[in-house]
Amino acid sequence: GDSVTQMEGPVTLSEEAFLTINCTYTATGYPSLFWYVQYPGEGLQLLLKATKADDKGSNKGFEATYRKETTSFHLEKGSVQVSDSAVYFCALLSSNTGKLIFGQGTTLQVKP
Amino acid sequence: DAEITQSPRHKITETGRQVTLACHQTWNHNNMFWYRQDLGHGLRLIHYSYGVHDTNKGEVSDGYSVSRSNTEDLPLTLESAASSQTSVYFCASSDSWGSSYEQYFGPGTRLTVT
Repeated sequence: GDSVTQMEGPVTLSEEAFLTINCTYTATGYPSLFWYVQYPGEGLQLLLKATKADDKGSNKGFEATYRKETTSFHLEKGSVQVSDSAVYFCALLSSNTGKLIFGQGTTLQVKP
Repeated sequence: DAEITQSPRHKITETGRQVTLACHQTWNHNNMFWYRQDLGHGLRLIHYSYGVHDTNKGEVSDGYSVSRSNTEDLPLTLESAASSQTSVYFCASSDSWGSSYEQYFGPGTRLTVT
């Protein structure tokens, strides 16, 4: 079945460092891909999305490109801030079932 | 502003008791979902509904039930709580099908079964 794999955390960075969180997926058909963010004590919020190959999603300085050839959707940010500390979830919307399938989440901690 | 709320936010219950977690959305969305979040597993789908009187089992539905009597609410019931059901539960809703749809999440309910 469809699945999503994220790099294990926690990821600890200093403020203004470059961030990459890896995400790869397995899916039949043509899924849409998402990054969700969960701040402490809150629910998940959509951070960005891409609906077809080579699309780039971007929001709040974060970017991710839908790479069909490598089945990847890595999250990047050029300069992280303390306020970016959160748990990040990669997810795919299965084109077969219409359901969201989540990766296990990656905790990011940014230190001043 | 439209929103999705969950209650209670925290709940402690004993093994074997019946527990109901509430989810209420004012987006007027047709689709509603229940997930549980556990370390190392991300979010896993418990039950979902595509409209009034429609309910479907998700990936981890054993021991849980839902009913949808109106558009706004999808309560989740644990028939006989077990320690394995200690988790954080999230409700979500979405408006439409297709590649552009977004799920909106509630703040979560932390359930502890002792």
